Amino acid sequence: EVQLVESGGGLVQPGGSLRLSCAASGFTFSSYSMNWVRQAPGKGLEWVSYISSSSSTIYYADSVKGRFTISRDNAKNSLYLQMNSLRAEDTAVYYCARGTGYVDYWGQGTLVTVSS
Amino acid sequence: SYVLTQPPSVSVAPGKTARITCGGNNIGSKSVHWYQQKPGQAPVLVIYYDSDRPSGIPERFSGSNSGNTATLTISRVEAGDEADYYCQVWDSSSDLFGGGTKLTVL
Repeated sequence: EVQLVESGGGLVQPGGSLRLSCAASGFTFSSYSMNWVRQAPGKGLEWVSYISSSSSTIYYADSVKGRFTISRDNAKNSLYLQMNSLRAEDTAVYYCARGTGYVDYWGQGTLVTVSS
Repeated sequence: SYVLTQPPSVSVAPGKTARITCGGNNIGSKSVHWYQQKPGQAPVLVIYYDSDRPSGIPERFSGSNSGNTATLTISRVEAGDEADYYCQVWDSSSDLFGGGTKLTVL
């Protein structure tokens, strides 16, 4: 069974940093591209970042470019999102999501709250 | 930048057919994917590549895509279909989601 389990969310002050992790199991992690997708409270889905299976290709949404860094460790079956210079508008549930073009599996999400 | 436009809400009686649209410039030339999200839950893929259905998704869910509009069709709507639905495309090195449509079953 495919499982994606996010962790690392919490309350952080504006301008602060946070690192999200996603532990993957039930599939060959190194064979799949991965994404981070977020959802602000009461709002729609917003794609954040994409990383290919070998980390050779990485994309970011304009809203996070230069502030967020996606990475992965295939030996540890883990996906990461380093978030710096956080803003109030980054407050959201962050989902780890598997796939290229479309997402076939989603984690349950981790809540990031940016507030003073 | 590319924009996907969905109606904020659609209402349908049980047993009827619901159609949720996703508008975009020449969207028919792109692959469109659809997700269902119920309150407090992660999204679930219901249609990919315009009209393919993942295993476990009922045949009542179907999709089409042509011209400037992609459509998710839910036949014989059930109370359990009440949810938010999002369309999604991959465009110019980024994923795009529509604003979402809340499906209400009357």
